[in-house]
Amino acid sequence: GAVVSQHPSRVICKSGTSVKIECRSLDFQATTMFWYRQFPKQSLMLMATSNEGSKATYEQGVEKDKFLINHASLTLSTLTVTSAHPEDSSFYICSARDPDYEQYFGPGTRLTVT
Amino acid sequence: QKEVEQDPGPLSVPEGAIVSLNCTYSNSAFQYFMWYRQYSRKGPELLMYTYSSGNKEDGRFTAQVDKSSKYISLFIRDSQPSDSATYLCAMKKGSMDSSYKLIFGSGTRLLVRP
Repeated sequence: GAVVSQHPSRVICKSGTSVKIECRSLDFQATTMFWYRQFPKQSLMLMATSNEGSKATYEQGVEKDKFLINHASLTLSTLTVTSAHPEDSSFYICSARDPDYEQYFGPGTRLTVT
Repeated sequence: QKEVEQDPGPLSVPEGAIVSLNCTYSNSAFQYFMWYRQYSRKGPELLMYTYSSGNKEDGRFTAQVDKSSKYISLFIRDSQPSDSATYLCAMKKGSMDSSYKLIFGSGTRLLVRP
């Protein structure tokens, strides 16, 4: 199956700083990528849909100025958590949709804000 | 009421048992049904997807959809300790290439005891 990578896999940052997470589709071009957030023992919550070359579409309740998404190429999308706070600590997972419209997920990034 | 309901478990079974995992849903517009497996601290991995009602088999896994009852199942035969993971059901409206987002269940934790 297709491979999606995320970097970093784990990051610890101080409150008030910004963190960038990268999501790459390694063996296919993805015009659409998704960013999810997952709390312990809970399901995935879609944060935003990212389309290459255009602005991301955010889900209701997700602050677009806090969670900046950029999809500059067909293989890379980035999520920047700005002015992070402890409540932003979570597991962030991206997924990429291949040309057959199947979604493949990255391994996730665990963010801890101290 | 959530659109997709899934028993969180945990479900503990002995090695070799047949496992039945289930989801119910409320929106009759769902057309595509998927099962993902998620190991601890990893991203979800697509196991199977089915369209509309019926069964689909892949090795030890069988996915079943009953649209009249709004009920989907994943059966695992000859379960192995390596099957221990969280299993997430997901559903989507419209056609596979539509812009509708995936709706996830909360996931069921499965533990297969050696």
